[in-house]
Amino acid sequence: DTEVTQTPKHLVMGMTNKKSLKCEQHMGHRAMYWYKQKAKKPPELMFVYSYEKLSINESVPSRFSPECPNSSLLNLHLHALQPEDSALYLCASSQDPAGASRGEQFFGPGTRLTVL
Amino acid sequence: GDSVTQMEGPVTLSEEAFLTINCTYTATGYPSLFWYVQYPGEGLQLLLKATKADDKGSNKGFEATYRKETTSFHLEKGSVQVSDSAVYFCALTPGTGKLIFGQGTTLQVKP
Repeated sequence: DTEVTQTPKHLVMGMTNKKSLKCEQHMGHRAMYWYKQKAKKPPELMFVYSYEKLSINESVPSRFSPECPNSSLLNLHLHALQPEDSALYLCASSQDPAGASRGEQFFGPGTRLTVL
Repeated sequence: GDSVTQMEGPVTLSEEAFLTINCTYTATGYPSLFWYVQYPGEGLQLLLKATKADDKGSNKGFEATYRKETTSFHLEKGSVQVSDSAVYFCALTPGTGKLIFGQGTTLQVKP
């Protein structure tokens, strides 16, 4: 299994809703990442987990809450989002822990989030 | 800080034309370099990579050579197809766990 999966594919939520995005990889990778991508822009790093511990938080607002329950699973909990948070949310993983990795990251297909 | 600069698009080519997308970088140390491709409505796929100077990455007819003297990693393909229409991102990692992307270049190939 050489892929990163993400669910759901699409999500529409109101500003008062609570929802979660899910990401899985079964490649034995030690680092997992959340990115946000706006249309026609490159992905922007949000969070990095290395060995299931949060190692990088790129000053993301607290309405985004990451969680890494085990080495294969990464969640992003969403609460009280704003319309400007609408974007494609991408998950990625890499074989080596984040601080020692010069290797590639493997990306999932993304969750298209719309906040009304 | 580290950065990646890509040629601005969109790039429009006819099928079977030669493709070059320029990419230059600024980095301390010896970063790894990547090209990712994003098809409409999809995530990013790794197209090719190079981890040291003079390495040539290749995949699906695409090639790029890590040129340390010119700090470049230009993407080339000898004969593009309609199915190559996508957004191409050049990226580097200095080994911190962060991927630093260029702005992306949209390629449109017409039949």
